[in-house]
Amino acid sequence: GAGVSQSPRYKVAKRGQDVALRCDPISGHVSLFWYQQALGQGPEFLTYFQNEAQLDKSGLPSDRFFAERPEGSVSTLKIQRTQQEDSAVYLCASSLTGDTQYFGPGTRLTVL
Amino acid sequence: QKEVEQDPGPLSVPEGAIVSLNCTYSNSAFQYFMWYRQYSRKGPELLMYTYSSGNKEDGRFTAQVDKSSKYISLFIRDSQPSDSATYLCAMSGGSSNTGKLIFGQGTTLQVKP
Repeated sequence: GAGVSQSPRYKVAKRGQDVALRCDPISGHVSLFWYQQALGQGPEFLTYFQNEAQLDKSGLPSDRFFAERPEGSVSTLKIQRTQQEDSAVYLCASSLTGDTQYFGPGTRLTVL
Repeated sequence: QKEVEQDPGPLSVPEGAIVSLNCTYSNSAFQYFMWYRQYSRKGPELLMYTYSSGNKEDGRFTAQVDKSSKYISLFIRDSQPSDSATYLCAMSGGSSNTGKLIFGQGTTLQVKP
């Protein structure tokens, strides 16, 4: 089915490296969300896009985190100079109307 | 104190039991309440979506919202081993709402055959 897809599924980075995580939302979905899920915890909001506009980035933990959605479809979450505390699963969700969100499988990031 | 509190469990029940999962919250502005199921190494899957107070039933699942008590519940009837997963409550709402979800920690459920 045409659900939300994310790539890569797994990423191992050395501390200090930059990483880029990709999200392909469901076709036609206007809203796109990024969440961070630490081990044993619920997902925590990072940022929100409506089409190409980033309307809320209040959850980004530091200026090392950057997200974009230049054409209003695919989105990329970039983390610069990764730290061990960045190790988590990064989830992307899309929504047609902003209420019901459909999640992708996530990217599991491990920073060594 | 977190905005949404959820007992992480684990909760272990025999097959066929009725399961009750709960969350409490502190933000009275929340209006939309959801339950997601998450299998190991998978993304969350939406189970139930409720607006404001009341009950909603879908097959073996019943969601209840009590806004006056700031308490939501998910009941699973005739539980199956395939229901073994982590259950996440989530909510959103408020005047400045962008639709972002606030999640509980998740409750791990194991249904034993």
